[in-house]
Amino acid sequence: GAVVSQHPSWVICKSGTSVKIECRSLDFQATTMFWYRQFPKQSLMLMATSNEGSKATYEQGVEKDKFLINHASLTLSTLTVTSAHPEDSSFYICSARTSGSIYEQYFGPGTRLTVT
Amino acid sequence: RKEVEQDPGPFNVPEGATVAFNCTYSNSASQSFFWYRQDCRKEPKLLMSVYSSGNEDGRFTAQLNRASQYISLLIRDSKLSDSATYLCVVNMNTGFQKLVFGTGTRLLVSP
Repeated sequence: GAVVSQHPSWVICKSGTSVKIECRSLDFQATTMFWYRQFPKQSLMLMATSNEGSKATYEQGVEKDKFLINHASLTLSTLTVTSAHPEDSSFYICSARTSGSIYEQYFGPGTRLTVT
Repeated sequence: RKEVEQDPGPFNVPEGATVAFNCTYSNSASQSFFWYRQDCRKEPKLLMSVYSSGNEDGRFTAQLNRASQYISLLIRDSKLSDSATYLCVVNMNTGFQKLVFGTGTRLLVSP
C-alpha cells in the first residue's frame, strides 16, 4: 500500500516551454502533497505544500507564478514549470500524506527534467 | 547554519564492517526524526524513524540525543546492498509538519 506515482519519469524540453508533472496517490487519499526539488549532490528542498482544494503554500524563494501547483483531487496533484530555463533542470519529487499520518510521507519515484 | 547537517562522506567500508553516521539539527523544537535511504537517481525511502529511547531494526540502530541535537545511525555487518546515500530528516513541527532533509551521507560497501 501507500504507492505514489509520478508522470513522466523524465522529460526533455526546450527553453521557454512549459512542462506539467503529475503526482498520483494510487491506493490512498492524499490530503496533503509536497513538491521537492533536488539538484545533483544536494538535499531535497521543499518547494511547496498543497492541501486538496486549497492554494499551495510556497517556500521562501520559490516563485509561485513559475511553479504552478494544482491539487484538485485527493489523488492527484500537478506541478507545472512555466517558461522553463536550463537552471530549472532538476529532479522533481512529490510526496503524499494521508490525514491519518501527520509524519509519514510517501514519495513518488521522481521526474527528471532537462531543459535545453 | 544549516537546519540539518550531515557529513557527506563518502564512507568506504568493507563488507561486514560497522559504520556510523551522525547528523545535527538546529531547531530544538523539532519533534520527529527519520533516516531515509536514497539510491542513485531514485526517490528517498524511509529506513526508520528515530525515537528518543533509541530503536533498532535488524542491523540498523538509530539514536537521538535531544540535548545535543544530534541523531545517529549505526549499520552493523554491512552488506553490498547497503551502498546508498543516507538522509537525515527532521520534522520541523511547523503548522504543515515540514520535513527538512540533510544533504545525505554516501556509503560505499565494497567486497
